[in-house]
Formats: sequence, structure tokens, C-alpha cells
Amino acid sequence: ETGVTQTPRHLVMGMTNKKSLKCEQHLGHNAMYWYKQSAKKPLELMFVYNFKEQTENNSVPSRFSPECPNSSHLFLHLHTLQPEDSALYLCASSQEGGGGYNEQFFGPGTRLTVL
Amino acid sequence: AQTVTQSQPEMSVQEAETVTLSCTYDTSESDYYLFWYKQPPSRQMILVIRQEAYKQQNATENRFSVNFQKAAKSFSLKISDSQLGDAAMYFCAYRSRSTGTASKLTFGTGTRLQVTL
Repeated sequence: ETGVTQTPRHLVMGMTNKKSLKCEQHLGHNAMYWYKQSAKKPLELMFVYNFKEQTENNSVPSRFSPECPNSSHLFLHLHTLQPEDSALYLCASSQEGGGGYNEQFFGPGTRLTVL
Repeated sequence: AQTVTQSQPEMSVQEAETVTLSCTYDTSESDYYLFWYKQPPSRQMILVIRQEAYKQQNATENRFSVNFQKAAKSFSLKISDSQLGDAAMYFCAYRSRSTGTASKLTFGTGTRLQVTL
């Protein structure tokens, strides 16, 4: 595997279910991100992890719970979601420090549908 | 807070022609980075081109080039010799150069580009 991978690619869940999204980066980066992409809206940054430490939580509801066990893996645990949480969830990674563009590399996303 | 505006929800271009996608941003900072990302229908977002605010020369990557107007806070993307594979959503993004713990990107709403024969 190369780049940033995400599983599953598609997920349908009921409002009472608990599920998890997984992201893995194979680029040796030290920062990882979760974004929410909804139609006709800018990408919304949800969480940022730098060296496995959460450095940003953009007022995300507690029904979304991130976990970063190491610098290569990032999870998003979901429970009691609402239909308005249906969206494409993107994971990204970057190499921070040392100056430079530090561009982010994105995964293919998980299309989440909440019934 | 910074904002990024893409005023063209959809654009269309004929194959082999040139198209320009517009992007404006609002910031009080003097040093920052700007990016154009492409998201094809398969949804893997990829970086197309990047520009550092302190570099006056416009960035170029093969058929892709930008027109960076710092005073006007404008960062347009020009695609020359358009190809069918250029059809995608294009997102403009801003990143502050301020020191911080990670690179936070601010995205525009995107422009959907159609390429016709």
C-alpha cells in the first residue's frame, strides 16, 4: 500500500450503531487530520494530530471520537450519529517541522450514510 | 480568520482549450501558502500546484499554472490544453506560515470542471 489509505470506503449505519473509520498513512509523516466533506460546503477540519497528540478539535460533537495510537494510524469512532452526519470523511497526513509547504496528502475517503 | 472564496461552482472547457478557475482569499497575514487540489470522481484529493506568498514568480507545473496577485488576494488556476482527465472538482486552499503544531488548511467550496469533446 502506498500513500494514505482509508477503510471502509462506504459505510451505512443506523443512528444507534457504533462503528469506526480507519486511516493509515505510509508516507512517514508525523501529522494526521480528519476532514468532513459535505456537498456545496468547504471541507471542514475536524481533528488534527501531531506526533500522536491531538492539537485541534474544531468544536466537533462528542459522538465523533478520534484515536491516534501511533503516527501512522488514525481512527474515528462513531456512535449515535445523526442523519446530518452523512458525508464523505477524508483523512490526510503531512510532515510537519523544518519549514516548507508541508502539503497534505489525502486518502480516498469513507462515504458515510446515517439512516 | 482566513476565508477562501471560489465564485465559480461549475466551469466547462473543450478539450485542448484553456480554462481559468478563480480563487480569492482574505487574510491579514503577509506570509502564507496557497494550493490547488484536484478531486476526480474517485474522490482521492491530489495536489496540483502550490505557491508561497513571498515568491513573486507564478508557479507552473506542466499544463497547470497560477496567476498569483498578492495585493488583490487572488490565486487563479490556468489549465492549458485541457484533457478529459482534467475533469474534477478543484479546490483552492490557504495555509498560514505561522508557527503552529500542524498545517491547517482553509478550503474554498470548489469548482466542478467539465471537459467536453
